[in-house]
Amino acid sequence: GEDVEQSLFLSVREGDSSVINCTYTDSSSTYLYWYKQEPGAGLQLLTYIFSNMDMKQDQRLTVLLNKKDKHLSLRIADTQTGDSAIYFCAEILNTPLVFGKGTRLSVIA
Amino acid sequence: GAGVSQSPSNKVTEKGKDVELRCDPISGHTALYWYRQSLGQGLEFLIYFQGNSAPDKSGLPSDRFSAERTGGSVSTLTIQRTQQEDSAVYLCASSSGVNEQFFGPGTRLTVL
Repeated sequence: GEDVEQSLFLSVREGDSSVINCTYTDSSSTYLYWYKQEPGAGLQLLTYIFSNMDMKQDQRLTVLLNKKDKHLSLRIADTQTGDSAIYFCAEILNTPLVFGKGTRLSVIA
Repeated sequence: GAGVSQSPSNKVTEKGKDVELRCDPISGHTALYWYRQSLGQGLEFLIYFQGNSAPDKSGLPSDRFSAERTGGSVSTLTIQRTQQEDSAVYLCASSSGVNEQFFGPGTRLTVL
């Protein structure tokens, strides 16, 4: 079945790197996404990766995709307090996005 | 407007009442989606509209839920005879392609 799994919580110190992991089930997914949700706000697309790529870097964000293991990760370098939020991994199957339950990132000053 | 807007931002209703939630997508976006975000349940797909095609209703949890999209733009999600388990944040998104869905801020529905 369709299922995207993420750990629920991550706590890091300001300035350290954060790594948020996700596993997905459908190898035919064409795109995989990372969304950020700040308290009381909607979802903001952070980045996405096409399934034929294995890495994408965008400023402090690095996305790694291991298609063999169906594993996706988001690395945030030099994590700041403003990065505190819930991060959702999502895959696209046909049309609607299938989301994980989100990882709550807490940044300790 | 620059982004997807939703109204109301908050809605409190009594069990058994009907509610309507509105979504204004980004102008020109042909696709519109409704999702539900429940505490501890993550985001759940409800319904999808693409242009003039018949909507994909496969995610609607019961026949109390329905949605319309008039003129290929504004959409209304209607929940009839609300139940307490309908309490959630209802998120709308629109897109012009498959790469990116832009989300609105959501409507927080509380059923007492």
